[in-house]
Amino acid sequence: DIQMTQSPSSLSAFVGDRVTMTCRASQSIGTYLNWYQQKPGKAPKLLISGASSLQSGVPSTFSGGGSGTDFTLTISSLQPEDFAIYHCQQTYNTPLTFGQGTKLEIK
Amino acid sequence: EVQLVQSGAEVKKPGESLRISCKGSGYTFPSYWISWVRQMPGKGLEWMGRIDPSDSYTDYSPSFQGHVTFSIDESVSSASLQWSSLKASDTAMYYCARDANNGKLLLWGQGTLVIVSS
Repeated sequence: DIQMTQSPSSLSAFVGDRVTMTCRASQSIGTYLNWYQQKPGKAPKLLISGASSLQSGVPSTFSGGGSGTDFTLTISSLQPEDFAIYHCQQTYNTPLTFGQGTKLEIK
Repeated sequence: EVQLVQSGAEVKKPGESLRISCKGSGYTFPSYWISWVRQMPGKGLEWMGRIDPSDSYTDYSPSFQGHVTFSIDESVSSASLQWSSLKASDTAMYYCARDANNGKLLLWGQGTLVIVSS
């Protein structure tokens, strides 16, 4: 199985800050990498697919990058509604695997 | 409206069986795989596997193979996840999600909470 490791596990920031979180795969996965946002008590929501393609309706403050084994999710200017848990997922092969999540909290 | 609606929360005892469901509407149900995802309390997401509603072909994660069973009732556009003998460690939120056979999970159900306790 491909192991996905996210860092940091948690992150505190102010509204308006720029934040970046990372996701590392245990082997090269090209750009078969998706990012999801999950708010408390809710199902995850797909934000970015193919490492960098923003889903329709997702604010342009979100961006994704990387290829191979190292990926990033950047939020350029944090809004109150962005505080959530972010999960990365590889779709290079099955079993599909997720990272353990990065919890983004308000400072 | 395109949506997946899951069955309600369940409280069961160890050793009991259980089936939970996920009903699709607003789209052509056989056209998209259904993936199942587990989230244990306070933990991350775990992909359990997926099923193709067009032919009931299944692709189980090795971590869940043999412990759960996926099925389809195409007549009511519904997918099911079942256990024959629950364990306390099955306590979790279970999500179904629509998978365009590329692992991209764009549409999710609201989740079904399963609690297994003696």
